[in-house]
Amino acid sequence: AQTVTQSQPEMSVQEAETVTLSCTYDTSESDYYLFWYKQPPSRQMILVIRQEAYKQQNATENRFSVNFQKAAKSFSLKISDSQLGDAAMYFCAYRSNTGNQFYFGTGTSLTVIP
Amino acid sequence: GAGVSQSPSNKVTEKGKDVELRCDPISGHTALYWYRQRLGQGLEFLIYFQGNSAPDKSGLPSDRFSAERTGESVSTLTIQRTQQEDSAVYLCASSAYLGDGYTFGSGTRLTVV
Repeated sequence: AQTVTQSQPEMSVQEAETVTLSCTYDTSESDYYLFWYKQPPSRQMILVIRQEAYKQQNATENRFSVNFQKAAKSFSLKISDSQLGDAAMYFCAYRSNTGNQFYFGTGTSLTVIP
Repeated sequence: GAGVSQSPSNKVTEKGKDVELRCDPISGHTALYWYRQRLGQGLEFLIYFQGNSAPDKSGLPSDRFSAERTGESVSTLTIQRTQQEDSAVYLCASSAYLGDGYTFGSGTRLTVV
């Protein structure tokens, strides 16, 4: 089975600053999808951004962008101009092009300091 | 509905009792997933439904766990003879097509006392 590793259990960032959350994954497949989800205290998992492995261009959604390094199997999330509302658990997830399930990392707890 | 709806939001049950958790996916979403999230941990896959195909039950931790879904409608996850280690948040998600991100519900927090 694929594994997803988030090596930073906790991160903090000053409001308005930039922070990068790390994610690596292990797979033998060439075609797959990668996602970042945000889980605030409300428990609702919210899709932040997604990346198709066949696309070389890094995905961007407003203040959120990724650095996708396919050869290194790395998928980091950059949050620019951090806001208090960005404070949450962030989960990296992998999905095969053919599989039924997502594989999630163990999460990174992000604190935003006012 | 507009989102994935789960009920109850919270459930406290005595050890040994059966519980039933409900998930109402987004209308038109053919795929439905159940995940378990223990306190401070990541998401653990339980079961996946895709339309009328046979479900992928590979993540169910024991035969005390079962789930049903009729067509593309509501799903129920049943845990029989609950144990304290079953205490967790149970998240349901649905998606419209392969490669689409999941839309999650807010989960059911199950506490077994």
